[in-house]
Amino acid sequence: SQQGEEDPQALSIQEGENATMNCSYKTSINNLQWYRQNSGRGLVHLILIRSNEREKHSGRLRVTLDTSKKSSSLLITASRAADTASYFCATDLRRGGADGLTFGKGTHLIIQP
Amino acid sequence: EPEVTQTPSHQVTQMGQEVILRCVPISNHLYFYWYRQILGQKVEFLVSFYNNEISEKSEIFDDQFSVERPDGSNFTLKIRSTKLEDSAMYFCNSASDGETQYFGPGTRLLVL
Repeated sequence: SQQGEEDPQALSIQEGENATMNCSYKTSINNLQWYRQNSGRGLVHLILIRSNEREKHSGRLRVTLDTSKKSSSLLITASRAADTASYFCATDLRRGGADGLTFGKGTHLIIQP
Repeated sequence: EPEVTQTPSHQVTQMGQEVILRCVPISNHLYFYWYRQILGQKVEFLVSFYNNEISEKSEIFDDQFSVERPDGSNFTLKIRSTKLEDSAMYFCNSASDGETQYFGPGTRLLVL
C-alpha cells in the first residue's frame, strides 16, 4: 500500500451520525495532517497530530494516531450536510524541513439530510 | 483571515506552450510549495521552496518545471513546454513553520 491510504474510499451516512475515516501509512512520520476538499476547490487544513501525540480534538473533529500500527483515524461527530466533502490524510516525514506532504487518495464522505 | 491567492483560476493552453502560474503566499510565511492534482487522483507534491531556493522536489518536477520568487510577495511555477499530461489543478501552499500548510484555491490548467 502507498504512504497515506484512507479507507473507506466512500462513506454515506445520515445527518447527525458520526463518520469515521481511517488512514494507514508505511514509514515513520513527524506528523500527520487531515485536510478537507470540497468538490473542485482547494484543500482546507483540519488538524495536525504529531508523532508523539495519540489524540487531538478540534470542535467536532477527533483524530487519533497509533504509530505502532502506522494508522490514524478522523472522527466527525454529529455530522452535518455541510461536512459532505473528500477527506485526505497527509504525512510529513521530517521535522522542521520544507518537505512535501504525501497525500492519500481520500475518503469521499456524503452526509444525507 | 489571510489566505493564499492564485491566478489565474483557469488556464487553457496549447501543447508545447509555456505557462506561468502565479501565487501570493500568506505574507509572513517562509515556506512555499506547489502541488498538483490530476482530475480524480490524489494530490501530489511537486516542489518546496525556502530561503530563496528549492528545498525539495519530487520526480514529477523535471527540467520542464521551474519556480521563482521574483519579489517579496509572488511565487511562480513555470512549465516550459506543456504536455497533455500536465493538465491538472495546481495548488500553491505556504507555511510559517514548515508544518501546517495552507492551500490556495488552485489554478485549473488544461493543455490541448
